[in-house]
Amino acid sequence: AQSVTQPDIHITVSEGASLELRCNYSYGATPYLFWYVQSPGQGLQLLLKYFSGDTLVQGIKGFEAEFKRSQSSFNLRKPSVHWSDAAEYFCAVGANTGRRALTFGSGTRLQVQP
Amino acid sequence: DAGVIQSPRHEVTEMGQEVTLRCKPISGHDYLFWYRQTMMRGLELLIYFNNNVPIDDSGMPEDRFSAKMPNASFSTLKIQPSEPRDSAVYFCASSLEIYEQYFGPGTRLTVT
Repeated sequence: AQSVTQPDIHITVSEGASLELRCNYSYGATPYLFWYVQSPGQGLQLLLKYFSGDTLVQGIKGFEAEFKRSQSSFNLRKPSVHWSDAAEYFCAVGANTGRRALTFGSGTRLQVQP
Repeated sequence: DAGVIQSPRHEVTEMGQEVTLRCKPISGHDYLFWYRQTMMRGLELLIYFNNNVPIDDSGMPEDRFSAKMPNASFSTLKIQPSEPRDSAVYFCASSLEIYEQYFGPGTRLTVT
């Protein structure tokens, strides 16, 4: 069964600083990987996804993520954080066979300081 | 498109009462998912449907929970009888492809 670990529960960055949120997954084959963002009181919104091909994927709102098979990681990055990026971020993994549903990490809450 | 619509947005009920949560997926989407989010357990998949048919209900916690999808534009999640430990935010999501899931705003359920 697949699993996802987000080692950072809470991260604080200054506005304009760069951001990297960590995600490690466990899955026997090439996984499908996702990042979602949840603003307070809202549902989750898909930021970006990786299925295959280019290991650096671009998403919405200026986010990108890099799939590194050797490290079983799919870290989310943004070069310059805006105050509106304050939210909770979830990494998720999906299997390409068998039970085809997403497994979510526990989330990382991002706080942005002015 | 209005997105995924959930009702009610907030529900407060007493232990032992029946609770029904409702979801209208995005038109044309053929997958529908019900999730539960709590501080302790995070985001858990309860059940998902494809073309109105339940595909995987292994996440449904117990027999007190049931979900139906009578047509392509409506689904319900019912808890009977409700217990305080059912207090959570319940999300509905829909998708055209299984992984491109669009989430509704959620229903915050409080069972006292």
